[in-house]
Amino acid sequence: EIVLTQSPGTLSLSPGERATLSCRASQSVRSSYLAWYQQKPGQAPRLLIYGASSRATGIPDRFSGSGSGTDFTLTINRLEPEDFAVYYCQQYGSSPRYSFGQGTKLEIK
Amino acid sequence: EVHLVQSGAEVKKPGDSLKISCKASGYNFASHWTGWVRQIPGKGLEWMGVIYGGDSGTTYSPSFQGQVTISADRSINIAYLQWSSLKASDTAMYYCVRHDYDILTGEGSDAFDSWGQGTMVIVSS
Repeated sequence: EIVLTQSPGTLSLSPGERATLSCRASQSVRSSYLAWYQQKPGQAPRLLIYGASSRATGIPDRFSGSGSGTDFTLTINRLEPEDFAVYYCQQYGSSPRYSFGQGTKLEIK
Repeated sequence: EVHLVQSGAEVKKPGDSLKISCKASGYNFASHWTGWVRQIPGKGLEWMGVIYGGDSGTTYSPSFQGQVTISADRSINIAYLQWSSLKASDTAMYYCVRHDYDILTGEGSDAFDSWGQGTMVIVSS
């Protein structure tokens, strides 16, 4: 079973700064089947990145994903006020078929 | 445009049964998987299981196997999540999701590209 561990648990930054969020898998993620989601309070999550580095439809290019194997990163350049939210990584394709990390809360400093 | 519209919030007692729904529109329901995700208040996301709209085949997370039943009626493009006997620990928000991958065309990833608005289930005596 693949376990995803996200760090840090909370990240405090100011608008305009760059955010770097980490997701580490307990085993190699098959074919980089790794996604990132954003969830704002009171809303459903939204897909940001799939395949480790491909942006979903309508996602601004300040969001980028990278990594392979067991280490993945979500980078958000030039933070906007609307980017402060909780971010989850997810692997899809290995047992259990889908699993999420515990989340990173990005808060305004 | 893809839309997933879920049924409304529910307040139930322990031991009650419940079936919540997710109405899909804007795409071929039969060629995509539809899944369910649980979120306990203040906690993270947990994948529960998935159903294929084409033949209603299902796969469950080991954590939810035997605890819930996922079904679908492809004639009306609706997926369901049901419990036969609710517990207080089932109190949570439940989201339905569309898997991006189109089984008939082979296009797309398997990420969850569309989410319903969520159904809050409260189980309390």
